[in-house]
Amino acid sequence: DMKVTQMPRYLIKRMGENVLLECGQDMSHETMYWYRQDPGLGLQLIYISYDVDSNSEGDIPKGYRVSRKKREHFSLILDSAKTNQTSVYFCASRTGDQNTLYFGAGTRLSVL
Amino acid sequence: QQQVRQSPQSLTVWEGETAILNCSYEDSTFNYFPWYQQFPGEGPALLISIRSVSDKKEDGRFTIFFNKREKKLSLHITDSQPGDSATYFCAASHDTNAYKVIFGKGTHLHVLP
Repeated sequence: DMKVTQMPRYLIKRMGENVLLECGQDMSHETMYWYRQDPGLGLQLIYISYDVDSNSEGDIPKGYRVSRKKREHFSLILDSAKTNQTSVYFCASRTGDQNTLYFGAGTRLSVL
Repeated sequence: QQQVRQSPQSLTVWEGETAILNCSYEDSTFNYFPWYQQFPGEGPALLISIRSVSDKKEDGRFTIFFNKREKKLSLHITDSQPGDSATYFCAASHDTNAYKVIFGKGTHLHVLP
């Protein structure tokens, strides 16, 4: 059963605090993604990771960084979180030869 | 710029009716179009997809109609059920193995019993 797991599911932080969102997948997929979803804006791509230590900015990378030290694990880091980073964050993965994205259940982040 | 547009933003139909969700795109080099379905509290999941060499793709009650010349596609959900109530995202990429997938803003479908 293919699974993408995100932790935590809910997170409340104060402005200026550091935030770590974690994502794991059990499918040995090479490519992983971080998206954010806001009402009326759909899914916006933050970062793509092609494999371990091979990451690329997406459409809205400002204020975010990522880390991928193991193929099955991909982290999103917010250094000094801002209130406009309040959102639902989705991690996804896919194999190299087909374009089905497998999404996690999301992390709902509130920055106060 | 918005490369993939969806309409309407929200759609309400009665159980048993056909729901029609529209999508258009700007980049004529897009050739793979997946639709994702998202239920509240969950991540999106692939529902059905089509490649630009086809003009129609059917999977049970879900059908994609594709018009390459007009750069438009639509998702038809026949015999809509309350369990189909969800947000539907049209997406596009340059190939089936392209890394970047561009999503539309979604259509929120409500199916009333």
